[in-house]
Amino acid sequence: GQNIDQPTEMTATEGAIVQINCTYQTSGFNGLFWYQQHAGEAPTFLSYNVLDGLEEKGRFSSFLSRSKGYSYLLLKELQMKDSASYLCAVRDLGRDDKIIFGKGTRLHILP
Amino acid sequence: ETGVTQTPRHLVMGMTNKKSLKCEQHLGHNAMYWYKQSAKKPLELMFVYSLEERVENNSVPSRFSPECPNSSHLFLHLHTLQPEDSALYLCASSQEGQGAADTIYFGEGSWLTVV
Repeated sequence: GQNIDQPTEMTATEGAIVQINCTYQTSGFNGLFWYQQHAGEAPTFLSYNVLDGLEEKGRFSSFLSRSKGYSYLLLKELQMKDSASYLCAVRDLGRDDKIIFGKGTRLHILP
Repeated sequence: ETGVTQTPRHLVMGMTNKKSLKCEQHLGHNAMYWYKQSAKKPLELMFVYSLEERVENNSVPSRFSPECPNSSHLFLHLHTLQPEDSALYLCASSQEGQGAADTIYFGEGSWLTVV
């Protein structure tokens, strides 16, 4: 089986930096994804990690440690439009290589 | 615009009604999915179709019946639902077979309320 744990809610200030953590357990890890979902909208793809280390994409970065079953999403220079839910998901070979989602972290940005 | 279109966006139905959700993808993908998103729960995978054949059904009750007539269209037929089935139903597609980096592209969802 698998578990994906991430905080339910976080609050940060406009212009600041926030780190959203995700821990996971899988039968066969085959990649980790982060998605952003604004209220009432579809989740959209943010990042993908399969090897250890940091992947940077503009203001957003994602880190992976496979030995620790751990990832984080780092958001810099926060903007009000970053208020959304952030979903951690893993591809699990033990689940026919399907992408399994966590419950998501709701991020509130304060002015 | 995500390339995956769902209709209707909102649906209210009684427990004895029969209705259908429709999904169309314009991305040329070969796999389509139905997910259920309830409050305070993770996205739950309901059905997967790969090359128009159902490859996974995660013990979903028979009151949900999927149909995939071709690689671009997916339906979810609803019959005698329960109030606890009220949720956001998300359709998604992906191109399988290109490696583990394949990601899933979601539609904007259909909000279902069962009364």
